[in-house]
Amino acid sequence: NAGVTQTPKFQVLKTGQSMTLQCAQDMNHNSMYWYRQDPGMGLRLIYYSASEGTTDKGEVPNGYNVSRLNKREFSLRLESAAPSQTSVYFCASSERPSGGSTDTQYFGPGTRLTVL
Amino acid sequence: ILNVEQSPQSLHVQEGDSTNFTCSFPSSNFYALHWYRWETAKSPEALFVMTLNGDEKKKGRISATLNTKEGYSYLYIKGSQPEDSATYLCAYPAGFQKLVFGTGTRLLVSP
Repeated sequence: NAGVTQTPKFQVLKTGQSMTLQCAQDMNHNSMYWYRQDPGMGLRLIYYSASEGTTDKGEVPNGYNVSRLNKREFSLRLESAAPSQTSVYFCASSERPSGGSTDTQYFGPGTRLTVL
Repeated sequence: ILNVEQSPQSLHVQEGDSTNFTCSFPSSNFYALHWYRWETAKSPEALFVMTLNGDEKKKGRISATLNTKEGYSYLYIKGSQPEDSATYLCAYPAGFQKLVFGTGTRLLVSP
C-alpha cells in the first residue's frame, strides 16, 4: 500500500500560470481533503470531498477548484496562481475505524508550491 | 468559527526530560479530539483519537489525557528522545468528517 500519494513534490510557478496538483489514495477511503500549510497558520482546509461525486468548500477555497475524478483521485487546480498561494499543500483521506465515532485522516507527503 | 489553541508554540528540552503541552477546544457539544505527530519533511501521522471525558491514551512514552468539561487535552512525553522532535497537532471535528487543526507545538529534543 502506497497510502496517499501526491504529485508533484515541488513546483515553481509565475503569477497567472495555472497548474493541477494530483492526489491519489489506495486505501479505499470515501473522504478526501486538500489543506494548505503556512507558517504560524497551521493546516487550513481548502476543499474536501465526503464521497465520490461530491465536493465542498473548506475554510480557504478562493482561487482553487477541485475534481473528485473517482474514488481514488482528488485533484486541486489553481487557475491563475498568485504569490499568496505560495504554500505547502497536503492531501489527505479519511476512514472511520470499525466501532469508531470519528474519522482518522491520513496525509500525503505534500507539494511545496512557490508562486513568483 | 471554531477555535483550537495549542500551547506552547515551541519547546526545547534535553534528552531524558519529560514534557507536556496543551490543546484547548470548545467544551460544549464535545465529539472527539485528535492528536497528530508531524516530523519535519514528512506528513502528519495520527497518534490518538480521544472521545470520552477522562480518557487516557498511551503509545510508548507518549500519553494523552482529556477533559471535555473544561475543554482541554494534555499530551505528555516521558523521557524525551531526539527522535521525539516533531510538531504535535491537535484537531477537533467541525462538521461532518472535517477537522479544524491547532497551529501545533513544535518540540525540539537535544541530545
